[in-house]
Amino acid sequence: ETGVTQSPTHLIKTRGQQVTLRCSSQSGHNTVSWYQQALGQGPQFIFQYYREEENGRGNFPPRFSGLQFPNYSSELNVNALELDDSALYLCASAVGTNTEAFFGQGTRLTVV
Amino acid sequence: SQQGEEDPQALSIQEGENATMNCSYKTSINNLQWYRQNSGRGLVHLILIRSNEREKHSGRLRVTLDTSKKSSSLLITASRAADTASYFCATDARNQGGKLIFGQGTELSVKP
Repeated sequence: ETGVTQSPTHLIKTRGQQVTLRCSSQSGHNTVSWYQQALGQGPQFIFQYYREEENGRGNFPPRFSGLQFPNYSSELNVNALELDDSALYLCASAVGTNTEAFFGQGTRLTVV
Repeated sequence: SQQGEEDPQALSIQEGENATMNCSYKTSINNLQWYRQNSGRGLVHLILIRSNEREKHSGRLRVTLDTSKKSSSLLITASRAADTASYFCATDARNQGGKLIFGQGTELSVKP
């Protein structure tokens, strides 16, 4: 177990709806990153938060947004869901940057 | 697009044999990390190797890094059925703020 917990584990949403995914980082970790993993693919970087500030963003549209809270937990919000948003969403926490990143078990999102 | 490319895409071996997976990447890196993923769940961190290191060991795992060839390899010795999983390399590229860029992964099957 990495100490990184994500909720919920599974979620089914309808196209056009909004979703919020949550991540509790490992104790002592101040960096949280979010990744999207489509079936059969490697994870793709969405964005990273370091000490509550966004610290880099991948090629995802603005309807993907996030927050990091003072306790370093984080949320990923996705608006106007599309069928292609169906994927495993992974959260990773780390101490600073350029160090080992530890992943949670992921949230499986299905958009119908 | 993915920076890392794993080779082979799939590998099937017998228990007790060694498994070697390779990873190539394109840009300068701070470090390279190897992960294991079982059945589409969370990623388990295996090893981080920094750009100034050439080889690291952890139990039955041996990782090498050749920055001149922009490649890395993961060797699992005396494989077990429990090693069956997908293996990913992820590069922490220079000047990318700690985001990890993953390859497509190698699917390893170890037959008892």
